[in-house]
Amino acid sequence: QVQLVESGGGVVQPGRSLRLSCAASGFTFSNSGMHWVRQAPGKGLEWVAVIWYDGSNKDYAESVKGRFTISRDNSKNTLYLEMNSLRTEDTAVYYCVHTTDSNDYWGQGTLVTVSS
Amino acid sequence: SYELTQPPSVSVSPGQTARITCSGDALPKKYAYWYQQKSGQVPVLVIYEDSKRPSGIPERFSGSSAGTMATLTISGAQVEDEADYYCYSTDNSGHHGWVFGGGTKLTVL
Repeated sequence: QVQLVESGGGVVQPGRSLRLSCAASGFTFSNSGMHWVRQAPGKGLEWVAVIWYDGSNKDYAESVKGRFTISRDNSKNTLYLEMNSLRTEDTAVYYCVHTTDSNDYWGQGTLVTVSS
Repeated sequence: SYELTQPPSVSVSPGQTARITCSGDALPKKYAYWYQQKSGQVPVLVIYEDSKRPSGIPERFSGSSAGTMATLTISGAQVEDEADYYCYSTDNSGHHGWVFGGGTKLTVL
């Protein structure tokens, strides 16, 4: 079955960096586009970034463009999100998401807290 | 930037039909998708491509889209359907990301 396990969250000061990982299994990762979606405490869902199956194309929300970088290692079945110049408003649970023609699969999320 | 608009809350009694709307200028050309998120849980896709149901989703969940509005309908809502519901779609700009609506809190009591 599809499994997505995020890691790398934690408490970080404003302006610092953090790298999230998402370990994928149960599907052909190298054939799949992947997304990051976040949810601030008590707030709604916000799409963050997408990467094509081969890494050839990437797209970002305006709120993170220039600060976050999505990448993948298909040899390790792992998705990444490099987050730089973090702001307090980046505090959220970050989910990786795998989409198919007829369903979506989400990890359990990893909490990033940006606070001094 | 593109926006999808949902009502903040909808309330129905058990057994009634709940309708949650999502409006956006690109919806005549773009599919709408719907997530259900219960408190403390990960979102679950309940409708994709306007009106299709993923396997395992009860038949009481249905979707439709007309013009600039997509609608999620829960026929015979049950107490366990109480949750936040989010629509998402894409815009017409060529941007490949998703845009989420603000979410609707469905209360069934």
